[in-house]
Amino acid sequence: GQSLEQPSEVTAVEGAIVQINCTYQTSGFYGLSWYQQHDGGAPTFLSYNALDGLEETGRFSSFLSRSDSYGYLLLQELQMKDSASYFCAVRRELTGGGNKLTFGTGTQLKVEL
Amino acid sequence: DSGVTQTPKHLITATGQRVTLRCSPRSGDLSVYWYQQSLDQGLQFLIQYYNGEERAKGNILERFSAQQFPDLHSELNLSSLELGDSALYFCASSGRDRGHNEQFFGPGTRLTVL
Repeated sequence: GQSLEQPSEVTAVEGAIVQINCTYQTSGFYGLSWYQQHDGGAPTFLSYNALDGLEETGRFSSFLSRSDSYGYLLLQELQMKDSASYFCAVRRELTGGGNKLTFGTGTQLKVEL
Repeated sequence: DSGVTQTPKHLITATGQRVTLRCSPRSGDLSVYWYQQSLDQGLQFLIQYYNGEERAKGNILERFSAQQFPDLHSELNLSSLELGDSALYFCASSGRDRGHNEQFFGPGTRLTVL
């Protein structure tokens, strides 16, 4: 089966840097994605890593180590609007061309003044 | 705005009933995915369609079925509804750009079963 672990809650102050870790166990691993979801809203894509290393997109960066089955999302210069839930998700390519995302349980980030 | 539309936004129904949720993917996307999000189960993948064909199946109950039509819109049918089916149901699409690395989620349908 598959499993993903990420912290349930993280609190940080505005302007700070926060790292949300994700460890996973799965077969057929293809890549690791990160999504942001505000309360009651739709998940929105943040980043995707298929290869080891760091991907940077503005204030957000994502890292993957395939050998350690580990990744993290780094948020810099935190703003109040970053308060949301953050999900890591493992992408698996299935036989027949199917594409499956398995989501972690999410990390609730609270940004304080 | 992701470009993915879902109707209805809210749905309230009774146990034992049947409902249909509708999704229109982003223009140009051939893949459609359905997810269920409940408080105790998180975001669960249900099923994927690609250009009208089922491609991947997740934790979808036998009481649930889906299809993708020639115009690429998709419908999720939920029957013999139970209280535990109350959840947010999201549709997502992918494919037009960035391959299938990025999924674009619709605003969701909130289903309440009384």
